[in-house]
Amino acid sequence: DVKVTQSSRYLVKRTGEKVFLECVQDMDHENMFWYRQDPGLGLRLIYFSYDVKMKEKGDIPEGYSVSREKKERFSLILESASTNQTSMYLCASSSKSAGNYGYTFGSGTRLTVV
Amino acid sequence: AQSVAQPEDQVNVAEGNPLTVKCTYSVSGNPYLFWYVQYPNRGLQFLLKYITGDNLVKGSYGFEAEFNKSQTSFHLKKPSALVSDSALYFCAVRDMTGTYKYIFGTGTRLKVLA
Repeated sequence: DVKVTQSSRYLVKRTGEKVFLECVQDMDHENMFWYRQDPGLGLRLIYFSYDVKMKEKGDIPEGYSVSREKKERFSLILESASTNQTSMYLCASSSKSAGNYGYTFGSGTRLTVV
Repeated sequence: AQSVAQPEDQVNVAEGNPLTVKCTYSVSGNPYLFWYVQYPNRGLQFLLKYITGDNLVKGSYGFEAEFNKSQTSFHLKKPSALVSDSALYFCAVRDMTGTYKYIFGTGTRLKVLA
């Protein structure tokens, strides 16, 4: 069964900490995405990547960075966590050649910053 | 600008009754439309998609959706709701500006009452 795996389901971090959220996919997908989900706001795109070592800003990149050193792994980094980054974070991947098949999502990481 | 609207934050329906979750879109050209479902503290799961062909699309768990080009709508339907259908539903459209991104609505919470 193909999947997107996010390393943590729940995470609690302190304000000011550097936080790493990891996402791994086993489908050989070129495209990977990080979203945050907040009630009433839906899914907002943080960063995305269409290839190894490539990254592009989404709609809300401030306070975040990403790393894609290998095709299967896309990491989201909170440089200095703040309470307003408490949210559900969703990773997704898709294929360039089968772009009409939509995304495959991970199970999400619920991050609480205290 | 390309967009997706889900006009209802919440839909309540009695078990056994038909359900409709509404979605309208605005994109240039022919749209690629998707519905996803999210259960509590989980990622989004693919339900169904419209790319081309018949306007009535059938998907997982007995759901279907009707594409209406003149009304720019893609409403999700099910003839007989189950309590287990209670979840958060997202409509999405592929960004047609040459990227691989998808644009999501804000979500509609479906509550099926026993």
